[in-house]
Amino acid sequence: QVQLVQSGAEVKKPGSSVKVSCKASGGTFSTYTINWVRQAPGQGLEWMGGIIPMFGTANYAQKFQGRVTITADKFTSLAFMELNSLRSDDTAIYYCARGYVEEVRTGPYLDKWGQGTLVTVSS
Amino acid sequence: DIQMTQSPSTLSVSVGDRVTITCRASQSISNWLAWYQQKPGKAPNLLIYKASSLQSGVPSRFSGSGSGTEFTLTISSLQPDDFATYYCQQYNSYSLTFGGGTKVEIK
Repeated sequence: QVQLVQSGAEVKKPGSSVKVSCKASGGTFSTYTINWVRQAPGQGLEWMGGIIPMFGTANYAQKFQGRVTITADKFTSLAFMELNSLRSDDTAIYYCARGYVEEVRTGPYLDKWGQGTLVTVSS
Repeated sequence: DIQMTQSPSTLSVSVGDRVTITCRASQSISNWLAWYQQKPGKAPNLLIYKASSLQSGVPSRFSGSGSGTEFTLTISSLQPDDFATYYCQQYNSYSLTFGGGTKVEIK
């Protein structure tokens, strides 16, 4: 049974960057997608982007284009999300989630989730 | 981007009630819709994919229906463990969007 384990909580200054990791174990990594979803305090879910580890190609939400980089290493089953130019409204729990794509040209539904990583941006 | 609108935002219900949550897409998404349950302090959990397919391990009191732009999640008889927030998510393309969520609370 696949498990996604994320790195620990981070406290960052405005203007800095954060890099969160997601380690997959117990299942196939490269043939699924790995996605990053965030949730600000008391708010809903917001998709940031995803990657297909087998090909290394990433898709990003327009809102985060140019500020987020998602990478994956299929040999170590590790995925990373780096967010730059942090602001106070980036304070949120960041989740990685495994995505399954049913058909070409569609996106994935998210069937396994990490435990979440709290990123706090404060001066 | 495709906008997803859920209603209601909050539902006050009792154990044993039938619960229906609606999700509308701003354009047709065929049946590329998933539903998730999230409890406080926990990651979301997949309930339904492809609008009506029940994820393995999810109780059969949960069901989904709809296609095109209008979808529903139904809980046939609400159990104590079902008090949570529910989200829909479209995956018609690889630009995913979620609904705003529906909190199911105790009446």
